[in-house]
Amino acid sequence: EAQVTQNPRYLITVTGKKLTVTCSQNMNHEYMSWYRQDPGLGLRQIYYSMNVEVTDKGDVPEGYKVSRKEKRNFPLILESPSPNQTSLYFCASRTTGPTGELFFGEGSRLTVL
Amino acid sequence: GENVEQHPSTLSVQEGDSAVIKCTYSDSASNYFPWYKQELGKGPQLIIDIRSNVGEKKDQRIAVTLNKTAKHFSLHITETQPEDSAVYFCAAPRYNFNKFYFGSGTKLNVKP
Repeated sequence: EAQVTQNPRYLITVTGKKLTVTCSQNMNHEYMSWYRQDPGLGLRQIYYSMNVEVTDKGDVPEGYKVSRKEKRNFPLILESPSPNQTSLYFCASRTTGPTGELFFGEGSRLTVL
Repeated sequence: GENVEQHPSTLSVQEGDSAVIKCTYSDSASNYFPWYKQELGKGPQLIIDIRSNVGEKKDQRIAVTLNKTAKHFSLHITETQPEDSAVYFCAAPRYNFNKFYFGSGTKLNVKP
């Protein structure tokens, strides 16, 4: 089954404790991206990657890091989480074809105390 | 970048009625406009999209219209059913679909 898998799905942590949210896709997609969803703000892009070792900033990259060492994986790293990073996070992937259709994971709800 | 505004933020309709959600965008270079549906506890899923070379596209009970002059596009759902209840997002990808700009979302509630 074609899917994007995120882990963990739920996480409560404390300010400053480094964490990583993993994302893996089994569709051989070149492009992957991360979003955060906040009430009234919709989905905002954090980072994206066009292929292995190629990453770039989205609209809200501050406080986040990413890496793309393998085609299937695109982890999101919060080096020193703060309460304003409490949010619902989504990973997505797509092919590089003309449709632009994003395939989303089921989300990771993060709470930073 | 691109600025996408979406209205209304919430919409409540009776089953069988129609629902319309509208989005406006700012960058006249945008040429592809998808709509995503997010069911409770799930990630968004593409339901319909439209390219700038057409004014309307239909898929059963769902349609999208585009007015490039006015820079707005709308989602139309006819004969709404309870399973249409969800959050809907419009988007305007740019830069070879690498950067995605989403609207703020519309929570649609279809009352049985």
